[in-house]
Amino acid sequence: AQSVTQLDSHVSVSEGTPVLLRCNYSSSYSPSLFWYVQHPNKGLQLLLKYTSAATLVKGINGFEAEFKKSETSFHLTKPSAHMSDAAEYFCVVLGTYKYIFGTGTRLKVLA
Amino acid sequence: GAGVSQTPSNKVTEKGKYVELRCDPISGHTALYWYRQSLGQGPEFLIYFQGTGAADDSGLPNDRFFAVRPEGSVSTLKIQRTERGDSAVYLCASSFISGSGADTQYFGPGTRLTVL
Repeated sequence: AQSVTQLDSHVSVSEGTPVLLRCNYSSSYSPSLFWYVQHPNKGLQLLLKYTSAATLVKGINGFEAEFKKSETSFHLTKPSAHMSDAAEYFCVVLGTYKYIFGTGTRLKVLA
Repeated sequence: GAGVSQTPSNKVTEKGKYVELRCDPISGHTALYWYRQSLGQGPEFLIYFQGTGAADDSGLPNDRFFAVRPEGSVSTLKIQRTERGDSAVYLCASSFISGSGADTQYFGPGTRLTVL
């Protein structure tokens, strides 16, 4: 069965510093992995997805993630945090058609 | 273009009442999904439709929950005899099903259900 584990429930960074949100996955076959962002009282927005093509995936708003099979990881990064990045981030693995979500990481950006 | 829409955005009901939550998927998407997001948690799968039929309803918590998609487009999630534990945000998503499998799911803004 597929699953994802988000290693941090809360992350705080200063504006302009790098962001790292960690996700490990478990899958019995080559997974499809996603990162979604959820701003307060807003819907889930796709940041990026990995579907067995390039291991370094670039997404919207300067985010990217690297698929590392040897480490079973799919960490989300951004070189420089902006105040507007403050939100809840979800790592997702695709099961049989359905999404399996991690528990989320709340990103706080300090001025 | 138009995204996934859900109505109502908020629903407050009393314990024991019946509620219906509606989802309008993106036009042309054949697959439709319902998820439930409890406070402080990630969304959890409830049910998946391919066309008009429920292809997987393994996530429905009990028989008080039921969903339909009679014409293969709009879907309604129905909850009977609501309980306080049903309070959550109910999310709907839709996608294409391509030859390679499920495509990216696009989410609606959700319906926040509060059971008093």
